[in-house]
Amino acid sequence: AQSVTQLDSQVPVFEEAPVELRCNYSSSVSVYLFWYVQYPNQGLQLLLKYLSGSTLVESINGFEAEFNKSQTSFHLRKPSVHISDTAEYFCAVAGGYQKVTFGTGTKLQVIP
Amino acid sequence: DAGVTQSPTHLIKTRGQHVTLRCSPISGHKSVSWYQQVLGQGPQFIFQYYEKEERGRGNFPDRFSARQFPNYSSELNVNALLLGDSALYLCASSLEQFSNQPQHFGDGTRLSIL
Repeated sequence: AQSVTQLDSQVPVFEEAPVELRCNYSSSVSVYLFWYVQYPNQGLQLLLKYLSGSTLVESINGFEAEFNKSQTSFHLRKPSVHISDTAEYFCAVAGGYQKVTFGTGTKLQVIP
Repeated sequence: DAGVTQSPTHLIKTRGQHVTLRCSPISGHKSVSWYQQVLGQGPQFIFQYYEKEERGRGNFPDRFSARQFPNYSSELNVNALLLGDSALYLCASSLEQFSNQPQHFGDGTRLSIL
């Protein structure tokens, strides 16, 4: 069985400040890890993924996440947030035939 | 290219009724997965279909069923609707069935049960 824990349901942060959204997972098999973003009234969009190789992965819009196997974590970070980053962020773990398990989500609220 | 399209966007039903939700994957994608997202929670996996065969099933009752057609589009059926079935139903497609494939989501069908 696999599970994902997102410790923070809401994270308020001022514009241009750094942010970290936490994600921990558990699994008995090798996993792939993902972060998805969901804007209001929309589906989920892939932000970044870890499949193998370098433990630090980056997205095109400045987010990065680091896979830490010993701590079973995949935290999402951005050094300077923008108003447009306000959304809900979901961490997900997948193994086997693409049975994806999502966390409960973290709402990022960027304050002007 | 068009993204994943789902229909209808909104639906209101009453308890005991039946509903069919439809999904068209991105062109060339052979795998379709269905998720239920209850308000305030993350999506929960319902089914995965690949090449018209069921490849995975989540912890949902037999009232939930699905199928995939030769053109890779898919339908999700829910019978004997309950109030607890009110949710956003998301469809996602990917090129292949494997778990390292990122999924592309549609905007969902919001189902409300009265």
